[in-house]
Amino acid sequence: DIVMTQSPLSLPVTPGEPASISCRSSQSLLNSNGNTYLDWYLQRPGQSPQLLICLGSNRASGVPDRFSGSGSGTDFTLKISRVEAEDFGVYYCMQALQTPYTFGQGTKLEIK
Amino acid sequence: EVQLVESGGGLVQAGGSLRLSCAASGFTFSNYWMHWVRRAPGKGLVWVSRIKTDGSITTYADSVKGRFTISRDNAKDMLYLQMNSLRAEDTALYYCARDLGGRATQWGQGTLVTVSS
Repeated sequence: DIVMTQSPLSLPVTPGEPASISCRSSQSLLNSNGNTYLDWYLQRPGQSPQLLICLGSNRASGVPDRFSGSGSGTDFTLKISRVEAEDFGVYYCMQALQTPYTFGQGTKLEIK
Repeated sequence: EVQLVESGGGLVQAGGSLRLSCAASGFTFSNYWMHWVRRAPGKGLVWVSRIKTDGSITTYADSVKGRFTISRDNAKDMLYLQMNSLRAEDTALYYCARDLGGRATQWGQGTLVTVSS
């Protein structure tokens, strides 16, 4: 199974400041078709996960442009340019290159 | 509007069975792979199973293989998860999800399964 490792696991941030979350996979997520199967999700308390970024760097429909995804191979980063109140919750990376799909442990973005 | 609505969760004794359902609407259900993902209390997300558009391919996490069966009825726009031989560690909020890993991912709100030992 592909192991996904996120850091940090807790991230206190002041609203208006930037934030960055790292995700590392135990093997490359680059498929032979040229796509990189790495997604980012936000799960707010009491809600289902919301897709933010798919295929490594593509913002999902309706996601604000303050969110960006980057990286390749085994190292990926989610950046929020200026954190807003609605951004607080738990962020997960997930690999969809092969089954079983696997998630990182989650990074809790908290108000500082 | 795309909607996925799970149902069928509840309290069951260890060794028992439950059948979860996921009603899809607002999109052409038969065009999408569908998945089940769960989140145990205080834990992270864990992928459980997936099924191809026509039901011809199913895949399971090792932790549920041989106990859970995923199925779908494209005529009724319904996804199912038959869960047998339930264990305390199966206690979780179960989500159905469309097109996991793709560009059209959507999740339901989840249904809670509690297995008492």
